[in-house]
Amino acid sequence: QVTLKESGPVLVKPTETLTLTCTVSGFSLSNARVGVSWIRQPPGKALEFLAHIFSNDEKSYSTSLKSRLTISTDTSKSQVVLTMTNMDPVDTATYYCARIWRATIWGYYYYYMDVWGNGTTVTVSS
Amino acid sequence: DIQMTQSPSSLSASVGDRVTVTCRASQTISSYLNWYQQKPGKAPKLLIYAASSLQSGVPSRFSGSGSGTDFTLTISSLQPEDFATYYCQQSYTTETFGQGTKVEIK
Repeated sequence: QVTLKESGPVLVKPTETLTLTCTVSGFSLSNARVGVSWIRQPPGKALEFLAHIFSNDEKSYSTSLKSRLTISTDTSKSQVVLTMTNMDPVDTATYYCARIWRATIWGYYYYYMDVWGNGTTVTVSS
Repeated sequence: DIQMTQSPSSLSASVGDRVTVTCRASQTISSYLNWYQQKPGKAPKLLIYAASSLQSGVPSRFSGSGSGTDFTLTISSLQPEDFATYYCQQSYTTETFGQGTKVEIK
């Protein structure tokens, strides 16, 4: 069974750095066909992509948040870590990690998030 | 970034209705379009990938179509468990999501 579980602080102060961990099971982070994404959702608002990483260390970041984000993998621990610097109250949100599946369809690679964690809520407040 | 615009933002429908949600990309994305369903307090669930491929385990009343810039998610006969918010997402370049369409009970 494929599962992902987010963990990290519930409350952070403005200007602090947030570190979130996604622990996966049921698949290997070494598998070339999978990656892990981080997505967030402020209360009552839409989903927002943050970053993703694949086994070949291919990384992608949200254009608007790129300067504040770092994503990395610890394959031995089956974990993907996201750090976000200089936190602000507008960063209050539920943060999700999700598996990205890289499918080959009609000879092309297609990417989609097929399994999600339950999310972890982070509040930014002094 | 590629902007994804969904319409409508919300709709009211009855059980048994045929429901259509539209997603438009700000530039062509071929078929790199996925649809997700999200219920309150829950994580999103993948429904459709590559614009028209039904994810395993998803009921066949859900279907997707389109390519280029215009895409559609259709629910052929709305069921009580389908009342939720639906998001499109492009994977042509750095991923972006639409703003969501909330399907409510009429």
